[in-house]
Amino acid sequence: GAVVSQHPSWVICKSGTSVKIECRSLDFQATTMFWYRQFPKQSLMLMATSNEGSKATYEQGVEKDKFLINHASLTLSTLTVTSAHPEDSSFYICSARVARGNEQFFGPGTRLTVL
Amino acid sequence: RKEVEQDPGPFNVPEGATVAFNCTYSNSASQSFFWYRQDCRKEPKLLMSVYSSGNEDGRFTAQLNRASQYISLLIRDSKLSDSATYLCVVRGSNDYKLSFGAGTTVTVRA
Repeated sequence: GAVVSQHPSWVICKSGTSVKIECRSLDFQATTMFWYRQFPKQSLMLMATSNEGSKATYEQGVEKDKFLINHASLTLSTLTVTSAHPEDSSFYICSARVARGNEQFFGPGTRLTVL
Repeated sequence: RKEVEQDPGPFNVPEGATVAFNCTYSNSASQSFFWYRQDCRKEPKLLMSVYSSGNEDGRFTAQLNRASQYISLLIRDSKLSDSATYLCVVRGSNDYKLSFGAGTTVTVRA
C-alpha cells in the first residue's frame, strides 16, 4: 500500500515557540492531504483539508493563523503550530489521498508536547 | 450530537471468544463506511470497508444498517493480537472527509 511519512515523530518544545510538522507521500502523488488532531481517549478530529497549490480549508473552530498549512507539492504538506501552548499538546496525524481514489493513507503521527 | 458514536468499552474477552460492537452515525447521506484499528500511540490503519450487503474478512464480519444508521463489527475466535481500539469511520457524500468515532477498546486476554 501507499506510504505516508511524518517528521518528526515526536517533539517537545517550550511554550511560545513554533513547531513545523512535515507530511510526505513517499510512493504516490497526493492531491489532497488532511490534518487531524487526537487528544487522549478521543476521536481523531479533522483540522483542515489541504489541496496542492491552493489554500487549506479549515474546519470550524480551528484557527488558520495558529495552524499554518502549506501544501507546496504533490508529495509534501506541512503544518506549523505557531506560538504553541500546553493546550496544543496532542497527537497530530496527516493522511493523503490519491487523485480519483477513495482511501486515505495515514502517516504515523507526531506527538507534540508543549511545556 | 456527535457524527459518529461508539460504545467506548472496554470489552475484555478471553482468547477464542467472539466479541461484537456497534456504532451509530447521524448523517443519513453518508456514503462510505469503514472500520479502522488503532494501536496505542499509533496511527489508525484500515481494517475493512463496510458494504450494504455485509462483508467478511477472515474472522471479522461487518454489517451496515442504513435504515437504523448503525454499523457493526464482529470478531470471531479472538486472538491476543486483536487487542486494540477499533474506530468506526464514516465518509460523507460530497467530499472525502472522514468522521471518526472515539473508538471501542477491545482487550483479549490469555
